[in-house]
Amino acid sequence: SQKIEQNSEALNIQEGKTATLTCNYTNYSPAYLQWYRQDPGRGPVFLLLIRENEKEKRKERLKVTFDTTLKQSLFHITASQPADSATYLCALDMEYGNKLVFGAGTILRVKS
Amino acid sequence: NAGVTQTPKFQVLKTGQSMTLQCAQDMNHNSMYWYRQDPGMGLRLIYYSASEGTTDKGEVPNGYNVSRLNKREFSLRLESAAPSQTSVYFCASSEAGANVLTFGAGSRLTVL
Repeated sequence: SQKIEQNSEALNIQEGKTATLTCNYTNYSPAYLQWYRQDPGRGPVFLLLIRENEKEKRKERLKVTFDTTLKQSLFHITASQPADSATYLCALDMEYGNKLVFGAGTILRVKS
Repeated sequence: NAGVTQTPKFQVLKTGQSMTLQCAQDMNHNSMYWYRQDPGMGLRLIYYSASEGTTDKGEVPNGYNVSRLNKREFSLRLESAAPSQTSVYFCASSEAGANVLTFGAGSRLTVL
């Protein structure tokens, strides 16, 4: 069965550093991959989408890479700020976009 | 700019009781989804509706029913609630084919 793995342990980093979160998947070949941010008590919010034929995507301080050979996506936040503290979820499409499957998420804590 | 609105935000039920979670979106999206989120397990798809008039099962449909009342509204019904259905439920919507999801704020359900 398809499986999506994100670091279950929280990532603690110092303000100003680059945070790197990992999303690994098995037994699946998604057409695209998405990253969402979720704050406590709130619904996930879309951040970035990267397609299988794209190696890298950027949006302001965010960068996503997608390696279909390694079956891995990396999510980077440069110059991190305490306001970036949240849970970050990766999601992969199934059935040509009719369904999204989510990982369990990684908690990021940025300390000032 | 309401986006996706879910009601109620909190509900406590006794085992065997029934209830309906309501969801409405004002973005003219074609597709709507119901997910549940449990600690350590991420978001799991219960049911989805690719377009008005159609519904399909997701990963964990047992114990639930849905109704796509019109393009705006997608409800989730628990006919006979069980403690295993204690969870946070999220409704989401997307444009057909785009699959960037917009989520509601969530409904926290406790079944005693």
